[in-house]
Amino acid sequence: SYELTQPPSESVAPGKTARITCGGDYIGSKSVQWYQQKAGRAPVLVIYYQSDRPSGIPDRFSGSKSGNTATLTISRVEAGDEADYYCQVWDGSSDHPVFGGGTKLTVL
Amino acid sequence: QVQLVQSGAEVKKPGASVRVSCKASGYTFTSYYLNWVRQAPGQGLEWMGIINPSADNTDYAEKFQGRVTMTRDTSTSTVYMELSSLRYEDTAVYYCARLAGEFFDFWGQGTLVTVSS
Repeated sequence: SYELTQPPSESVAPGKTARITCGGDYIGSKSVQWYQQKAGRAPVLVIYYQSDRPSGIPDRFSGSKSGNTATLTISRVEAGDEADYYCQVWDGSSDHPVFGGGTKLTVL
Repeated sequence: QVQLVQSGAEVKKPGASVRVSCKASGYTFTSYYLNWVRQAPGQGLEWMGIINPSADNTDYAEKFQGRVTMTRDTSTSTVYMELSSLRYEDTAVYYCARLAGEFFDFWGQGTLVTVSS
């Protein structure tokens, strides 16, 4: 079955740039989504189709892909960005969605 | 505005079944597939399955085949997820989520299901 790999944790100082990676075979040929989940809350879509932002999501959030890795970049990090972040793709072979294991972002 | 409102928390004994509901509003119910995703305490997101409210067909993750049933009621714009033969490891928050293309654009607030003797 298809798997996505994320680092368990990342930390960043306020005002700096956070980068969260998501690796998977042939991820270059797949659409990548990113979700933010704050403690005790439901996930919220922050990036879809690797770089598009839903309305209401600040442009500090951006997405990109290179090779077998997708990256969520959060610029000018704020305390309120502290959350778990999950990547997700649609696995064409199973026709099912797949989530990465999640990355806990800590704002120092 | 789009809303997915789920039923309240449940406590069940091992071996029992649980049914969680998800009432949709703010859009045409039959125009979007709805999914169920669960999250065990301290763990990540796990996809369970999908229902097409229009055609009433379903597809389940292999892990839950035989134990999960997803249904819908178009008269109330509600989908249901029933999980049977509950085990302690089924303790989790269960979310419904609307599928738009290949991503989940709206999520319910989550329903905590606790399996405890």
